[in-house]
Amino acid sequence: AQKITQTQPGMFVQEKEAVTLDCTYDTSDPSYGLFWYKQPSSGEMIFLIYQGSYDQQNATEGRYSLNFQKARKSANLVISASQLGDSAMYFCAMREINTGNQFYFGTGTSLTVIP
Amino acid sequence: DTEVTQTPKHLVMGMTNKKSLKCEQHMGHRAMYWYKQKAKKPPELMFVYSYEKLSINESVPSRFSPECPNSSLLNLHLHALQPEDSALYLCASSQLGTREYNEQFFGPGTRLTVL
Repeated sequence: AQKITQTQPGMFVQEKEAVTLDCTYDTSDPSYGLFWYKQPSSGEMIFLIYQGSYDQQNATEGRYSLNFQKARKSANLVISASQLGDSAMYFCAMREINTGNQFYFGTGTSLTVIP
Repeated sequence: DTEVTQTPKHLVMGMTNKKSLKCEQHMGHRAMYWYKQKAKKPPELMFVYSYEKLSINESVPSRFSPECPNSSLLNLHLHALQPEDSALYLCASSQLGTREYNEQFFGPGTRLTVL
């Protein structure tokens, strides 16, 4: 089974609007971390935001917030007030604490911001 | 210093050449990773080093040979590559341990073209 599932291959959003990128995960480890990365066309993977399995509150970092629904095993990324520079690939990833140091990546979502 | 550096940025090589990719970090991270990434696809894990020892080898062909000379350096030696090995090669590092919040820091990548 896939550890991380991203069901939206491509998304479009109007500039200044908010957009939600979906991510669901599968793990039996009670301790895990969820991460979102942005990858522009230049290729560099940029860390955006993190959510721990024991965190009570949803993570926020500037215009990025993570909608964490533990019972549903979902960790959706919300980008508010989209900017043209947000156009990029977005990857959701998970690290299971008790199964070593491997990170599992989803297939990614290509986001295009329309002026 | 929260940077992972990779050299070279671009590499073009013939199928009979021998070349090496280099990765360096000075964050005190004891886990280092090599990924291969094709366009619009997620990174594929190749190797993981933990405390300078190879801990994960994801059935990578022997024409790729990793080396971790010390805790700050990671090399990937390339020999007799095939055109399908053309890709972006990403290096990453992270802390080891049982903390959930151990994000991966990525380098800018090496774009490899095999002719």
